[in-house]
Amino acid sequence: DQQVKQNSPSLSVQEGRISILNCDYTNSMFDYFLWYKKYPAEGPTFLISISSIKDKNEDGRFTVFLNKSAKHLSLHIVPSQPGDSAVYFCAAHRSGAGSYQLTFGKGTKLSVIP
Amino acid sequence: NAGVMQNPRHLVRRRGQEARLRCSPMKGHSHVYWYRQLPEEGLKFMVYLQKENIIDESGMPKERFSAEFPKEGPSILRIQQVVRGDSAAYFCASSPEPPTSNQPQHFGDGTRLSIL
Repeated sequence: DQQVKQNSPSLSVQEGRISILNCDYTNSMFDYFLWYKKYPAEGPTFLISISSIKDKNEDGRFTVFLNKSAKHLSLHIVPSQPGDSAVYFCAAHRSGAGSYQLTFGKGTKLSVIP
Repeated sequence: NAGVMQNPRHLVRRRGQEARLRCSPMKGHSHVYWYRQLPEEGLKFMVYLQKENIIDESGMPKERFSAEFPKEGPSILRIQQVVRGDSAAYFCASSPEPPTSNQPQHFGDGTRLSIL
């Protein structure tokens, strides 16, 4: 049962344009969401997170939007740069569960074309 | 910048052998998490440990797999009698305390385990 879903395996965007990566979740108990970026042969690198009490969090070129009613979040990258080409993972966490394990989606491979 | 250190980066074992994967968390971090990534999949949680304690092992297979985080030294993920299906990338993450929105888990570069 995939509780965090990234339905687009890949995305291609022109340099300078906006990249929008989407993520859906099914578990309404999730209250903390993160995006990680991963290059081949490296570990995931934390990008940005958002708590369920917010609907937007911004950090430089990266903005995460959360729509709790739709159980949907998205990562916006603007402007996109060739160095942003990587696999992006959406992850979710449930507070109070005593564990803090992250549940990951399968990832979206972003290619930024110069 | 002493991040999460995992070794070895690559490990090759024959079926039936044991695999030991090591993880040194970031300095000052006392919480360690192990995840496994199969090809074309996301990372799957295996186990969460604090020093000398296993807090949550709900994602770890009941047989052949074990983990520890001793008072001194790195965390160890041990796989006994490896099988081909154990081939995967194993990632370790750490955090200074139970992670909050301001203190996410930080990952190492992983150990790629190949079973011949």
